[in-house]
Amino acid sequence: DAKTTQPPSMDCAEGRAANLPCNHSTISGNEYVYWYRQIHSQGPQYIIHGLKNNETNEMASLIITEDRKSSTLILPHATLRDTAVYYCIVAWVRFGAGTRLTVKP
Amino acid sequence: EAGVAQSPRYKIIEKRQSVAFWCNPISGHATLYWYQQILGQGPKLLIQFQNNGVVDDSQLPKDRFSAERLKGVDSTLKIQPAKLEDSAVYLCASRGPGAFTGELFFGEGSRLTVL
Repeated sequence: DAKTTQPPSMDCAEGRAANLPCNHSTISGNEYVYWYRQIHSQGPQYIIHGLKNNETNEMASLIITEDRKSSTLILPHATLRDTAVYYCIVAWVRFGAGTRLTVKP
Repeated sequence: EAGVAQSPRYKIIEKRQSVAFWCNPISGHATLYWYQQILGQGPKLLIQFQNNGVVDDSQLPKDRFSAERLKGVDSTLKIQPAKLEDSAVYLCASRGPGAFTGELFFGEGSRLTVL
């Protein structure tokens, strides 16, 4: 019963920006959008979260649309180590299938 | 800061046997979660604890799965009897204070294979 929709897979060239979209059209007013990533055989790792405003940290930027129905995670300069499954979650803790990002040389 | 500790990392059992997984969250984290992650899928929430009380166990198959967090610190997830479809990685996560914010910290997971 995940409340988010993400493309199953994406490719990105090394050094270029990776833009990962997420649709969360049923998001409630007080629900945050969280992004995690999971590298093979490891537990998910927190990347960033936001409520209304765009957010940036040392790992990524998060752009949330004004109506809050979708968001985009931006990895500004993707490296091979960014190859992973990226999860966008709302409702705090319920994960969907995520997007498998492959960064290619 | 020590991370979320889980054990064992790997377990192989026959169907109908029982198994238990242990999790020690980050010190001071009141909220603890158990997830099941089947190969190729996202983590599925099984149960959420706030201190030693259950907040959400709606997706826990209670006929065979049980979990406890008696002293509000470490937690145990048990499966009895195991089925083939229980083969998965069992992830434990904890979250610090804050009602609406706070990232989840995950352990490395316990990989279960049921033969």
